[in-house]
Amino acid sequence: DAGVIQSPRHEVTEMGQEVTLRCKPISGHDYLFWYRQTMMRGLELLIYFNNNVPIDDSGMPEDRFSAKMPNASFSTLKIQPSEPRDSAVYFCASAVPGELFFGEGSRLTVL
Amino acid sequence: EDKVVQSPLSLVVHEGDTVTLNCSYEVTNFRSLLWYKQEKKAPTFLFMLTSSGIEKKSGRLSSILDKKELSSILNITATQTGDSAIYLCALKVNQAGTALIFGKGTTLSVSS
Repeated sequence: DAGVIQSPRHEVTEMGQEVTLRCKPISGHDYLFWYRQTMMRGLELLIYFNNNVPIDDSGMPEDRFSAKMPNASFSTLKIQPSEPRDSAVYFCASAVPGELFFGEGSRLTVL
Repeated sequence: EDKVVQSPLSLVVHEGDTVTLNCSYEVTNFRSLLWYKQEKKAPTFLFMLTSSGIEKKSGRLSSILDKKELSSILNITATQTGDSAIYLCALKVNQAGTALIFGKGTTLSVSS
């Protein structure tokens, strides 16, 4: 299995632009998580899905952030409009109960 | 609010030294505590601790949970340059036991 696949690996964009991060979880995993990592705040859970349904989005910082999981093999995290303080590494992870697997992250820089 | 605090934030040691990393937590509904190692990319799993006082060991790394003190330590003996990484402590807190709350991590640098 290829593991959790995220794209893009790196993105540099200007403030105000829309950013879409993509994630393909491991096949058969029922849970999908989006995390954000910064030096100041560490790894923060943004939202997670179970069987494609959002369960807890209390970590989503603002209305500018949205996440979808239209099917079991794909999820997106969208930021619109982006701001410099959104610069971070965004990790997607998928899980079956008891085991969590991270993707390699998408490094976002908003200028 | 559930919280995970790690200390120290960063540590620089020489090869061969032994290090102890600390993790303390406050949580409404403890399920288990996990340690991860993060090098340049994604965190990789090290240990999961559920019961107090039982040491988990993998090579030069070991970890133990103290539920009374609401804390855990991760020990690395005879450190090597390849141990340089961010070590993350996380708590499983949701009902299904899959959502994790992470500490900010301890950045360990091992010099040769």
